[in-house]
Amino acid sequence: ETVLTQSPPTLSLSPGDRATLSCRASQSVRSYLAWYQQKPGQAPRLLIYDASNRATGIPARFSGSGSGTDFTLTISSLEPEDFAVYYCQQRSDWTYSFGQGTTLEIK
Amino acid sequence: QVQVVQSGAEVRKPGASVKVSCKASGYSFSDYYIHWVRQAPGQGLEWMGVINPGGGSTSYAQKFQGRVTMTWDTSTSTVYMDLSSLRSDDTAVYYCARDTQRRSMGWLDTWGQGTLVAVSS
Repeated sequence: ETVLTQSPPTLSLSPGDRATLSCRASQSVRSYLAWYQQKPGQAPRLLIYDASNRATGIPARFSGSGSGTDFTLTISSLEPEDFAVYYCQQRSDWTYSFGQGTTLEIK
Repeated sequence: QVQVVQSGAEVRKPGASVKVSCKASGYSFSDYYIHWVRQAPGQGLEWMGVINPGGGSTSYAQKFQGRVTMTWDTSTSTVYMDLSSLRSDDTAVYYCARDTQRRSMGWLDTWGQGTLVAVSS
């Protein structure tokens, strides 16, 4: 089973800052990695799929990169609505798993 | 519009089972896989498994094998997730989510509103 480790657990930044979130896989997942955003009381929302493709309606300030075992989600300039929890997810064969999440909080 | 709507909250005693439904609309039901994900209070997301309503194939996370069963009813465009031998640590919000890929597995982009399952004696 592929384990995803996200870092840091919590990231404290201010609006306008650049955010860099990491996700490391215990074995190669090629480019089969996605990022989700979740706000309190809401279902997750797909942001990035296949490591670097923005989902429909996702602003250009969100970008993803990486392949193999190391991946990054970058938010170029934080907006107030971006403060939330972010999860990476991988898929391999017929199984999926999530990382434990990174909480992006207002500094 | 594409949406999936889940059944309401449930309360069960330890050892019982629960069946949560997920009704799809706005697209061809048989063409898209449905995933189940759960989230315990204050915790992260946990993928439970996936079902292909177009052929009935399923894949379950190893942790849930033997306790979870996913089924579907084409006549009502509904997918079901049945979890048995409930324990207190099964208390969580359970989500269904439609896959992005037609007739294949991709990512989860249309989510239900979540169903709270509480397990308590």
